[in-house]
Amino acid sequence: GIQVEQSPPDLILQEGANSTLRCNFSDSVNNLQWFHQNPWGQLINLFYIPSGTKQNGRLSATTVATERYSLLYISSSQTTDSGVYFCAVPNYGGSQGNLIFGKGTKLSVKP
Amino acid sequence: DAGVTQSPTHLIKTRGQHVTLRCSPISGHKSVSWYQQVLGQGPQFIFQYYEKEERGRGNFPDRFSARQFPNYSSELNVNALLLGDSALYLCASGAVRSGNTIYFGEGSWLTVV
Repeated sequence: GIQVEQSPPDLILQEGANSTLRCNFSDSVNNLQWFHQNPWGQLINLFYIPSGTKQNGRLSATTVATERYSLLYISSSQTTDSGVYFCAVPNYGGSQGNLIFGKGTKLSVKP
Repeated sequence: DAGVTQSPTHLIKTRGQHVTLRCSPISGHKSVSWYQQVLGQGPQFIFQYYEKEERGRGNFPDRFSARQFPNYSSELNVNALLLGDSALYLCASGAVRSGNTIYFGEGSWLTVV
């Protein structure tokens, strides 16, 4: 199946710093999603981004489908940004409900 | 509108027992997916149901089963529980249209002792 790799696995930032999270995938995909998982386990949609760039406040994401990677940018980080960030792509032949997740990047933002 | 709701939120079971987890999708969503997330890993796909039919199955043993009801709610059943089944079980719903994302509930934390 498709392999999804995220880097770095762990990231510690001082409040106000910027960061870039990376997601590599092993085959062509028709969509990609970024999620944030809070400490209570809730997965929150951040972006649905099969290609191109999208921005939402301090967060933005870019997917370069031809080169099989996506980047999530967090600017002026806040302590509430802490948690685990996952990217996910559809499984072969699956619809958007059948996703393969990476192992995530655990972000800790210190005050 | 309410989001995806799951019950129970936390439960403890003994090895060999059976468990049923429940999920109500967002109003209007006809697709429900189930995921298992063990500590330190990303969610792993178990099942997807759409219009009461199974649309996908992940690499899980036959002890895992699911179904979807006419109101699009869903149950995940796990028989003969093992210690390794301890995990966060997540339900997600979606509209199964191109360009639509899926939305997750808060999950059910299962501990098998």
